Amino acid sequence: AQKITQTQPGMFVQEKEAVTLDCTYDTSDPSYGLFWYKQPSSGEMIFLIYQGSYDQQNATEGRYSLNFQKARKSANLVISASQLGDSAMYFCAMRWKYNFNKFYFGSGTKLNVKP
Amino acid sequence: AAGVIQSPRHLIKEKRETATLKCYPIPRHDTVYWYQQGPGQDPQFLISFYEKMQSDKGSIPDRFSAQQFSDYHSELNMSSLELGDSALYFCASSHELAGTSGGTIYNEQFFGPGTRLTVL
Repeated sequence: AQKITQTQPGMFVQEKEAVTLDCTYDTSDPSYGLFWYKQPSSGEMIFLIYQGSYDQQNATEGRYSLNFQKARKSANLVISASQLGDSAMYFCAMRWKYNFNKFYFGSGTKLNVKP
Repeated sequence: AAGVIQSPRHLIKEKRETATLKCYPIPRHDTVYWYQQGPGQDPQFLISFYEKMQSDKGSIPDRFSAQQFSDYHSELNMSSLELGDSALYFCASSHELAGTSGGTIYNEQFFGPGTRLTVL
């Protein structure tokens, strides 16, 4: 069975520092996509970054980067220069090529950025 | 840019009542997904539609049904509401045909703002 694990229910980070949010996954399918979403307290789900299983380089989007270690089946999100507005829930999610109709989400990590 | 629209944004119902949630996907997106997110939980997949046909089904109760119409908007119908149905209901859309070439799944799902359903 496919599974996504986020082991950090909550984290604190000082403003302007970098933070890494962990995500590991378990799949036997070679073709899959990994996504990170941010959910502020207002509730909306905001797409942050994507990594494909065949991508050779780690994905980056502005202050977000994905530390993709395929052999370890991990796809950690790195947020550089944290801002107060980064305080939110962060979800790691996956889609598999042969079951691409839905996302499987991790349990989320609540990030609090301290001034 | 146009985003996914959901209505209503907030809904309060009594137990055993019915509710209808609506979703308007991004133009030219061919696939719609419904997710349920309980308090403090991660989103759980309910059901999806591709080109107006049900494409996958998750943990959707039998009391719920959904469909996608000719204009691609979708409705989630919920009957005999229970207290445990109180949740945030997300609709998401994507353009599947554009995202699955070469074995790479690169098209993200764009989420709507959600409908917060409270069952009293």
